Amino acid sequence: GENVEQHPSTLSVQEGDSAVIKCTYSDSASNYFPWYKQELGKRPQLIIDIRSNVGEKKDQRIAVTLNKTAKHFSLHITETQPEDSAVYFCAASPTGGFKTIFGAGTRLFVKA
Amino acid sequence: SQTIHQWPATLVQPVGSPLSLECTVEGTSNPNLYWYRQAAGRGLQLLFYSVGIGQISSEVPQNLSASRPQDRQFILSSKKLLLSDSGFYLCAWQVGYGYTFGSGTRLTVV
Repeated sequence: GENVEQHPSTLSVQEGDSAVIKCTYSDSASNYFPWYKQELGKRPQLIIDIRSNVGEKKDQRIAVTLNKTAKHFSLHITETQPEDSAVYFCAASPTGGFKTIFGAGTRLFVKA
Repeated sequence: SQTIHQWPATLVQPVGSPLSLECTVEGTSNPNLYWYRQAAGRGLQLLFYSVGIGQISSEVPQNLSASRPQDRQFILSSKKLLLSDSGFYLCAWQVGYGYTFGSGTRLTVV
């Protein structure tokens, strides 16, 4: 089955700097890669996703890139703000969202 | 509108006691439903998924079970809880490709 590795486990940046979180997946059949943000004590919420037919997607300050050959994908947050502090999960699904497998999460701290 | 409900929000149970967590969705029919568990400081582990009434698939062998008695109801159960069952349990509903999660149940087994 699918296995998703996520790095780093913890990331601390200064407000205004960029943050990058990287993930790798094992199943070459995976075709859907979402990213979720979980604030303390809350439910995870989908913030951006990318499908295997594109290499990059951007939504305001966040962007995701996908390298299918290397089987890795990344989340980029620019101009970080304190409210970006949360746990971010990458995930992969081989069947369009069905049975999505999550990475272990990255705890992002944005220092004001 | 489409919503997902999960309860209870918090639960403290002794070792060996039974468990029943409930999740219901509104505003849709025949959804794919999931149970995930998040141990303290860790990722989301897929426990069960269901594509329809009475159809349950287990991803991890353990002392938990799941049932789907109605189209929009998904239940997570245990006959005897273990200390290792402690965690944050999340029900999820597949909406298109992405998931909408319930508000979660924080279970502490003592």
